[in-house]
Amino acid sequence: GAVVSQHPSRVICKSGTSVKIECRSLDFQATTMFWYRQFPKQSLMLMATSNEGSKATYEQGVEKDKFLINHASLTLSTLTVTSAHPEDSSFYICSAAQPGRTTGELFFGEGSRLTVL
Amino acid sequence: ELKVEQNPLFLSMQEGKNYTIYCNYSTTSDRLYWYRQDPGKSLESLFVLLSNGAVKQEGRLMASLDTKARLSTLHITAAVHDLSATYFCAVDQGGSEKLVFGKGTKLTVNP
Repeated sequence: GAVVSQHPSRVICKSGTSVKIECRSLDFQATTMFWYRQFPKQSLMLMATSNEGSKATYEQGVEKDKFLINHASLTLSTLTVTSAHPEDSSFYICSAAQPGRTTGELFFGEGSRLTVL
Repeated sequence: ELKVEQNPLFLSMQEGKNYTIYCNYSTTSDRLYWYRQDPGKSLESLFVLLSNGAVKQEGRLMASLDTKARLSTLHITAAVHDLSATYFCAVDQGGSEKLVFGKGTKLTVNP
C-alpha cells in the first residue's frame, strides 16, 4: 500500500537554530501534502498545505516565516522550523493522499518529534 | 468553521465490555476518518467513511456514519487490553483532504 515517510523521527536542537523535516511519498506522487502539529496530550492541528511547484497555504495563526515549507518534487515536501524556540517543541506529522485512489484514505507519516532546548 | 467534538475524552473500561465513542461535527461533510494513536507514535488509519449510512467493521471495532445527524460512532465490542490507545475522529473540510480532528478519546482497557 501507499506509504508516507518522515525524517528524522526525532531531533533535538538548541534554541535559535533551524531544523528541517522531510516528508516523502514512497510509492506514489503527491501534488499536495499536509503538515500537522500535535502538542503533548492534545489533538492534531493543521498547519499548512504544501503544494508541489507553488507556495504553501498556511492556516490562520501559523507564521509562514517561521515554518518554511518547500514542495520541490512530487514525492518530497520539507518543513523547516526557523530560529526554533522551546515553544516550537512538538510532534510534527505530514499526510498525503494518493491521487486517483477512490477509498479516500489519507496516509500519515511516522511523525517527527522536535525538542528545542 | 468546521468543528469536531468527540466524547468521551477519557474512557476506562473492563475487558470484555462494550462501549461507543461519539463524534459530532458542525458542517456538512461526507468523509469521516477514524484513527488510532499509540503513545509516541503517529496515526494508524482505522476507517474511512465516505457516505451516509456507511458502516465498517474490523475485528472488535465498528464505525458508522450518519451525515444527516452529522454523527459518527466507533463501537467497541468485548474490549481487550490491546485496544488501549487514543482514538481520533477527523472530518474532511469540503473534500479538500484537509482534516479537522476531534480532541481524541483516550481509551484504557483494564484486565
